[in-house]
Amino acid sequence: GAGVSQSPRYKVAKRGQDVALRCDPISGHVSLFWYQQALGQGPEFLTYFQNEAQLDKSGLPSDRFFAERPEGSVSTLKIQRTQQEDSAVYLCASSLSSTHRGELFFGEGSRLTVL
Amino acid sequence: KQEVTQIPAALSVPEGENLVLNCSFTDSAIYNLQWFRQDPGKGLTSLLLIQSSQREQTSGRLNASLDKSSGRSTLYIAASQPGDSATYLCAALGGSNYKLTFGKGTLLTVNP
Repeated sequence: GAGVSQSPRYKVAKRGQDVALRCDPISGHVSLFWYQQALGQGPEFLTYFQNEAQLDKSGLPSDRFFAERPEGSVSTLKIQRTQQEDSAVYLCASSLSSTHRGELFFGEGSRLTVL
Repeated sequence: KQEVTQIPAALSVPEGENLVLNCSFTDSAIYNLQWFRQDPGKGLTSLLLIQSSQREQTSGRLNASLDKSSGRSTLYIAASQPGDSATYLCAALGGSNYKLTFGKGTLLTVNP
């Protein structure tokens, strides 16, 4: 596709439910990032993939959060047993560069609301 | 730990005015400084990227400057238009890792 595509755009979950958020990066992009943006805040780093390898997951808030990119393209962010504090917009970004200093292209995000 | 601060948090100006958005960062060991635009309910659009060795970058009516030693960057918007209304975020790419550290943004409203 022309840009980074994320789905679903909006997700409402009851507390305790599991959710899965999908990211389709720009074709050929090596680097993929997940960021979490709470209301009124700037995005905060969650995790980073270079191709299929997850090189950094230090930003994941807890062990309820899990991300994968098994074939080096599409990525899924999974949140188990969702809590109200997980409510946020989850942004995916990709970059052609493998040196992590290239320009980032962001998707429109998945807005998660946990009731 | 890198911290990025943006001032002001919100700004409202009449159309046609020139304006400056400010960004400061605590750790001067950065690879680059990026400015993004975010429209309501949308993702981030990259506006300008300044490498650590550069002093400024220009794109159309936008000019961004970087002063690493003082930990500051500014985004200058000339002849503002209502279509410029959005949240502007700056982000620093750290010297020892690849994580972008974002400020909270400046919400800009340009009134017709």
